[in-house]
Amino acid sequence: NAGVTQTPKFRVLKTGQSMTLLCAQDMNHEYMYWYRQDPGMGLRLIHYSVGEGTTAKGEVPDGYNVSRLKKQNFLLGLESAAPSQTSVYFCASTRGGGPSTDTQYFGPGTRLTVL
Amino acid sequence: DQQVKQNSPSLSVQEGRISILNCDYTNSMFDYFLWYKKYPAEGPTFLISISSIKDKNEDGRFTVFLNKSAKHLSLHIVPSQPGDSAVYFCAASAQTGANNLFFGTGTRLTVIP
Repeated sequence: NAGVTQTPKFRVLKTGQSMTLLCAQDMNHEYMYWYRQDPGMGLRLIHYSVGEGTTAKGEVPDGYNVSRLKKQNFLLGLESAAPSQTSVYFCASTRGGGPSTDTQYFGPGTRLTVL
Repeated sequence: DQQVKQNSPSLSVQEGRISILNCDYTNSMFDYFLWYKKYPAEGPTFLISISSIKDKNEDGRFTVFLNKSAKHLSLHIVPSQPGDSAVYFCAASAQTGANNLFFGTGTRLTVIP
């Protein structure tokens, strides 16, 4: 039981390049989340999904797209990377409710640098 | 604008003593509060939570206190152990079941053996 895994762990992009971050969970959780953490700031919610085929915007969604084609996977895409997207990205999941009603499990993070 | 603030970036405590981590919030609509613990190169791990209808919640060595009038919560760890050395984040939710959590910037706790 691996929990929540994220691929890749590290990535360096040039401005304007695109990439996809993959989050996978093997706990059969319904809800999945993408956060970013910047220096001197708390984690901020980018997008989330309450079930396969659904997505919704969080606090800071601009510049990102997401897809939840399979229940176990939640993909975060950057179509045209900008230096402001340099951050550590965390994926998380909960069994079937928001984090105030269900324990939220986090992945180890992806450190992304955009030059 | 940070709605959840942790004003102490770091804290050092001797093993066996009490660790007190503080958190302040500005949004009076917050009604659920959580603490997460994070080790280097790992994601945050849920530690303990409290609803606004309570003023205290205890789980083993960890106790969270909530003072709604002061918009302040604190996490007490007694006794502190070296394995407690980590970054601690407080977070708040404006509605039970809501999906958006607002996180503080974290406090790095070092427990000295």
